[in-house]
Amino acid sequence: DAKTTQPPSMDCAEGRAANLPCNHSTISGNEYVYWYRQIHSQGPQYIIHGLKNNETNEMASLIITEDRKSSTLILPHATLRDTAVYYCIVTQRGQGAQKLVFGQGTRLTINP
Amino acid sequence: NAGVTQTPKFRILKIGQSMTLQCTQDMNHNYMYWYRQDPGMGLKLIYYSVGAGITDKGEVPNGYNVSRSTTEDFPLRLELAAPSQTSVYFCAARPTMNTEAFFGQGTRLTVV
Repeated sequence: DAKTTQPPSMDCAEGRAANLPCNHSTISGNEYVYWYRQIHSQGPQYIIHGLKNNETNEMASLIITEDRKSSTLILPHATLRDTAVYYCIVTQRGQGAQKLVFGQGTRLTINP
Repeated sequence: NAGVTQTPKFRILKIGQSMTLQCTQDMNHNYMYWYRQDPGMGLKLIYYSVGAGITDKGEVPNGYNVSRSTTEDFPLRLELAAPSQTSVYFCAARPTMNTEAFFGQGTRLTVV
C-alpha cells in the first residue's frame, strides 16, 4: 500500500499562496492522490484529487510530479479560514481501494 | 440536502454500557465508513461497507460491530464501553471507490 509523508505543521501569511507537500514514493500507476482538510473538529472536507495530470478547482490546485512520487496542494490566496489539518491520501490497490485510510496530515496555520 | 447525518452529537457512557452510534445518508451512496479520532491525532478507520449486506474491518475494529441492512444506514455498535473508546466518531459516504467522500459532523463519545 502506498504510504504518504507530510510535514506535521506549516505556517503561511494571509493572502499568500500556501504550498503543502506530500511524498508518496511507492505509489503505483493506478492509484489516485486525494486531499482532504479538517477545520477544527468538524468532519473532513474533500478538496481535490488527481491521477497524473495537474488538477484545479475552485478551492485549490494539485500538482503531481511526472514520476508521481510526490505532489503539492496549492491554496492560491490563503485566508484565515484555511487554517486546518490537511490530509494527503493515496488510495490503495485492488480490494484495498475500497478503503479510505488517513495519515497524520499537516497542520496549516494562516497568520494575519 | 442533508448528506450524512450522525446521531447523537454528544454522549457520555459508563464503563461496560453499550450503545449504537447512528449514521444515515440520503445520497444513495454505496460506500460507507466509520472512523474514530483521538485528541490531536488523525482519523483511524474502524469498519467500512461497500453496499447493503457487505461490511469489512478497517484498521481498528476491536470493540466495535457494524451492520448494513440498507443503503442509507450504517450503525456502529459498542457492546462493552471502555475508557479507551473515548473519541470523536465520524461517518462518511461516497458513491464508489476513487470518488469524493462526504463526512458527517461527528459524535463525541466519552466513557467514564
